[in-house]
This record gives sequence, structure tokens and C-alpha cells, in this order.
Amino acid sequence: SQTIHQWPATLVQPVGSPLSLECTVEGTSNPNLYWYRQAAGRGLQLLFYSVGIGQISSEVPQNLSASRPQDRQFILSSKKLLLSDSGFYLCAWETTGKGTEAFFGQGTRLTVV
Amino acid sequence: RKEVEQDPGPFNVPEGATVAFNCTYSNSASQSFFWYRQDCRKEPKLLMSVYSSGNEDGRFTAQLNRASQYISLLIRDSKLSDSATYLCVLFTGGGNKLTFGTGTQLKVEL
Repeated sequence: SQTIHQWPATLVQPVGSPLSLECTVEGTSNPNLYWYRQAAGRGLQLLFYSVGIGQISSEVPQNLSASRPQDRQFILSSKKLLLSDSGFYLCAWETTGKGTEAFFGQGTRLTVV
Repeated sequence: RKEVEQDPGPFNVPEGATVAFNCTYSNSASQSFFWYRQDCRKEPKLLMSVYSSGNEDGRFTAQLNRASQYISLLIRDSKLSDSATYLCVLFTGGGNKLTFGTGTQLKVEL
């Protein structure tokens, strides 16, 4: 069966520090991968999505970046965090690229202080 | 105009009530539509897909109106366990992405 792992579950980082969140998928190949952010009391904002290794599409200009070094690995990074980067970060995957069911990781709750 | 718009609620209803949510979308090229459920501080999970002919899953009924560009979710005989945020989601093939609404919060009370 397919599973998605996302870590860490919670993170408290000072302003200006770097960030690296990792997401891996098991049990499937060539998934479409997504990073979303959900600010407190708000909806999910699509940050990046990837249809293959090294292929990253950015939805919102910001100080975040994403990379996909392997087929089932998706990394969200920042060189210097801002207070506004606080939120609930969710990785998701879906296989067909036709909008069939998307499966989410358990999320990382990031607080920038 | 936002790609997906939902009334944020909260909708406070008594147990056993029928409640309906609507969601409007702006991109007529949207291909697939879904309702997701998100419990507090948890990840979203698929509740049901929405088909052009309308579809039902137990107490839940979803409808799609392409002409007016909205989808709806009807919940009958509400349970306390239905309390959650319901997210309207659409898939656009050209952009190859899932777009989520901000969600409608439902609170079912005794």
C-alpha cells in the first residue's frame, strides 16, 4: 500500500534560520507531489508542485524553494525564515495527474519566533 | 475573483439536521471536483468526488453545476462526528494542480 511520510511534525525556528522539510512517498512511482501551507484559520495555499524529478512549479513568489532529488522525495526549504512563514505545511501526492484522490502527510506545524 | 470560494461559516446545526454547503469556482476549464474533510489540526482527507450527474454516499450528496460553476454538498441526519471543516477542491488539468477552497466549518451540536 502507498504511504506518505512527512517530518518533523512540529518545529519552532527563529527568524532568519534555514528550513528543510522532507516528504517521502512509498508504494507508488512517478507521483505528482505538492506542498501546501495553511495559515491559522485559513485555507490551503498551494506553494509548489512537481510532476517529476527536478520538475518544480512555483505558485506563489516567496522566500521558499522546493526540490525533488528523487522520484518519491520532495523537499521544502528556506535560507532565511520570516515570521510570516509560520503555518501548517502539508505534503501531498496523487498518481494520475487527473485530480484523483490526493493523499496528505500528517503535516508540519512550523512556528517562526 | 478567487479560484474557489466558500462560505467560511461556522454552520452550527443540531444533531439530525440537514445542512448544505455551496462552493463557486471561476475557472471554467476545471475538470474534476472533490469535497475533502479536515478535522482540527489534522490533514485533509477525501470525503467524496463530485460527478456531473450528482452522486450520493450514505448521508452525503454532492452536486455539480457546470453552467453556474458551483458544487454543493448536502449532509442529511447530521452527527456530532460530522463536525469538521469541509473543503471544496478542484483540479485543473492545464495547470496540473489541485486548488482548495478555504473551507466551511460545520459544528453539530446536541
